Amino acid sequence: EDQVTQSPEALRLQEGESSSLNCSYTVSGLRGLFWYRQDPGKGPEFLFTLYSAGEEKEKERLKATLTKKESFLHITAPKPEDSATYLCAVQAYYTDKLIFGTGTRLQVFP
Amino acid sequence: NAGVTQTPKFQVLKTGQSMTLQCAQDMNHNSMYWYRQDPGMGLRLIYYSASEGTTDKGEVPNGYNVSRLNKREFSLRLESAAPSQTSVYFCASRLEQGRYSGNTIYFGEGSWLTVV
Repeated sequence: EDQVTQSPEALRLQEGESSSLNCSYTVSGLRGLFWYRQDPGKGPEFLFTLYSAGEEKEKERLKATLTKKESFLHITAPKPEDSATYLCAVQAYYTDKLIFGTGTRLQVFP
Repeated sequence: NAGVTQTPKFQVLKTGQSMTLQCAQDMNHNSMYWYRQDPGMGLRLIYYSASEGTTDKGEVPNGYNVSRLNKREFSLRLESAAPSQTSVYFCASRLEQGRYSGNTIYFGEGSWLTVV
């Protein structure tokens, strides 16, 4: 069964304190792994898509990496505006569906 | 640049009432989805439509029906609402263009539904 597990559930960081969020997955043939950001009361906002192991993508203070079993979202020198819930999802080759993890709630304090 | 638009934003229903959540996208996308999001459960797929005229069940389809009215619109209907259907509902869409492009899924802003 396809599955996505995110850790930690919640993370509190001081402004400028770099860290990583983890997304472990099992899927029968990975077609794509997706990272989203979700602010309270809003819909998920697309960040990255990764397709194959070894791939990396960056956007401002965020960098996503992918291995055959997991993905990391690295946050470098975070700011309070980076506070949000970060969601990971996978899509298998044989389906049109995305399977989501339960997310990591990130809080960055000044 | 509307993207994915959902209505209504908020709704309170009594147990047993029916209602329809409307969703429209203006990006000419092929695939559309309905998800529900509950605390600690993440986003769970209710139904999806890979193209106009087709619909398929997701993880949690019981108690719901859908209609892909045309390429733009995908509605979700609760025939007899139950308190367990209190949730935040998200509509989403995606353009399938092959292995390395067009796979991004875009979400609407959500519909908050309370069943009392």
